Amino acid sequence: SQTIHQWPATLVQPVGSPLSLECTVEGTSNPNLYWYRQAAGRGLQLLFYSVGIGQISSEVPQNLSASRPQDRQFILSSKKLLLSDSGFYLCASGLAENEQFFGPGTRLTVL
Amino acid sequence: AQSVAQPEDQVNVAEGNPLTVKCTYSVSGNPYLFWYVQYPNRGLQFLLKYITGDNLVKGSYGFEAEFNKSQTSFHLKKPSALVSDSALYFCAVRDHDYGQNFVFGPGTRLSVLP
Repeated sequence: SQTIHQWPATLVQPVGSPLSLECTVEGTSNPNLYWYRQAAGRGLQLLFYSVGIGQISSEVPQNLSASRPQDRQFILSSKKLLLSDSGFYLCASGLAENEQFFGPGTRLTVL
Repeated sequence: AQSVAQPEDQVNVAEGNPLTVKCTYSVSGNPYLFWYVQYPNRGLQFLLKYITGDNLVKGSYGFEAEFNKSQTSFHLKKPSALVSDSALYFCAVRDHDYGQNFVFGPGTRLSVLP
């Protein structure tokens, strides 16, 4: 089965600072990869998904960006964080009709 | 467009009683349906899925769900709730015929009282 790694687990950053969250996947090849944000322990908002290296689709306009430099690596970035970027960020991997596997998440607090 | 509704923000049930967490969905094509559970400050864990075949799906930890096409529902059930079942539950749908993405419901918080 797949294992999704995310780091860091927690992060506190000042407004205006850059961001880089990393996600790596083990146990599968050429997965679809996803970044979600979860606010206040409730619903998931899809931010980005990728069907292959260098292929990124954005679901929501924002100051975040994503990159997929390798098949099993997915990175979420920002040049300048906003207060509204605070939240719980989840990386997920999935294929076709199969379920998605989720990483443990990164809790980001922007001060 | 795909959508998922979980009409209850919170469900409370006594330990040992049956539980139901409701989910309805809307898709253009055929649905793939999923249930996930999330414990505090953790990622989502997969419970069960409906892809095709038998409408009653059995999953992890004694949970099951029934696909009802006419009512476009996929309610999560368990015959006897445990205190350890207390968590946040998400229903998700993917349209078999359109797109790569899953759409998640807003979540239902289940509290099982001892």
